[in-house]
This record gives sequence, structure tokens and C-alpha cells, in this order.
Amino acid sequence: DAGVTQSPTHLIKTRGQQVTLRCSPKSGHDTVSWYQQALGQGPQFIFQYYEEEERQRGNFPDRFSGHQFPNYSSELNVNALLLGDSALYLCASSFREGNTIYFGEGSWLTVV
Amino acid sequence: KQEVTQIPAALSVPEGENLVLNCSFTDSAIYNLQWFRQDPGKGLTSLLLIQSSQREQTSGRLNASLDKSSGRSTLYIAASQPGDSATYLCAATHNNAGNMLTFGGGTRLMVKP
Repeated sequence: DAGVTQSPTHLIKTRGQQVTLRCSPKSGHDTVSWYQQALGQGPQFIFQYYEEEERQRGNFPDRFSGHQFPNYSSELNVNALLLGDSALYLCASSFREGNTIYFGEGSWLTVV
Repeated sequence: KQEVTQIPAALSVPEGENLVLNCSFTDSAIYNLQWFRQDPGKGLTSLLLIQSSQREQTSGRLNASLDKSSGRSTLYIAASQPGDSATYLCAATHNNAGNMLTFGGGTRLMVKP
């Protein structure tokens, strides 16, 4: 049973560019969330998708957007990249609410 | 607004020692609390999930407790091993907040052989 898979694992972008990160949830899971983790800190919630709709959003600007597809996979898009967007981006999945949440290995984004 | 705090930020112990990691949260209206392990440069591995109606959960050498009234959770690790070295994160979900996890800053554990 494959767990949560994310791609790419590492990428380097230039300030002002746009990036798309991808996530496939664990088999049987229908809810996908994205988190940003800066070095040495706990993850910060970006947003959550369920039934292809954004259900909740954390304190992140509109430059951060996402999408969930009918097969429950998800994308995170970040526009107009800033140096401060450099972080580990984690995707998490679960079945509905209140159940164990599983994380992928993350995508390391470096903005130069 | 829920705030989660973990103390200490770092801990170093000799192999074989029993240890307790602490997690506190400001809003007792949590839905559940989950403990994770994170190895350097890696994603998060779920260790234990405690529902708000439960007092504790156990898995192998790990035991997590939850006291909503005091806003605290502890993760007990018995007979620590060098392989337990990692960062341990606790995270709470809040009533009416779906699956949104609010994380503490983590405790970085080093178990010395």
C-alpha cells in the first residue's frame, strides 16, 4: 500500500517564478492538506481540499493556490515566488475528518 | 486561536533512559491530538493519535497521554535507543476546524549510545 507520495522531492526556483507541487494521497483517503515547514519550525497549515473544493485555509496569501482532482490527488501552486517561500512543503492525507493523518516525504523548495 | 507549545526544544539522554516529552495547548476544545516523528530532511511519521474522549494510547515502547482540562499531552518513551533520535512533534485538531493540524515547534531528541 503506497503511502502519500509527493513530487518533485527537490527543486530550485528563481524569485518571481511560479512552482507547482504534486501529491497523491494514501489509498482510500479523500482529504488532502498542504503544510509549509520552515527550517527548525513546526509545519504551518496552508489549506485543505475535500471533494475537489478548498474547505479550509490558513494564514497564507493568495499567491498560494491549489487544486484537487477527481482521483483525490492534489496540486499546490505558488506564484511570484519570494525568498521567504523557501521551505519544505508537506502534503497530508486522511479519510474524512478525525482520523489519523499521514504525511508524505515533502518537496524541498529553494528560491534564489 | 489554538497555540501549541513543546518543551524542551532539545533533549539529549543516554541510551536506555525512560523519557517524557511535553506538549501543551491553549484551547481545550480539541478534537484529537497526534504525535509525529520527523527524521532530518524527511516527512512526518504518525506515531499515536488520541481522540478527545481518550486518556491515553500505547504503541510498543511509546505511550501518549491527554489531559484536556490542563491542556497537556505527554509522550513517554521507554528504554530509549539511538534509533529514537529524531524530532518529535505534537499537533492538535480543533472542533469545527476539520482536519487542520496546529503544530508545536517540536522537541529534538538525541539518544547517545
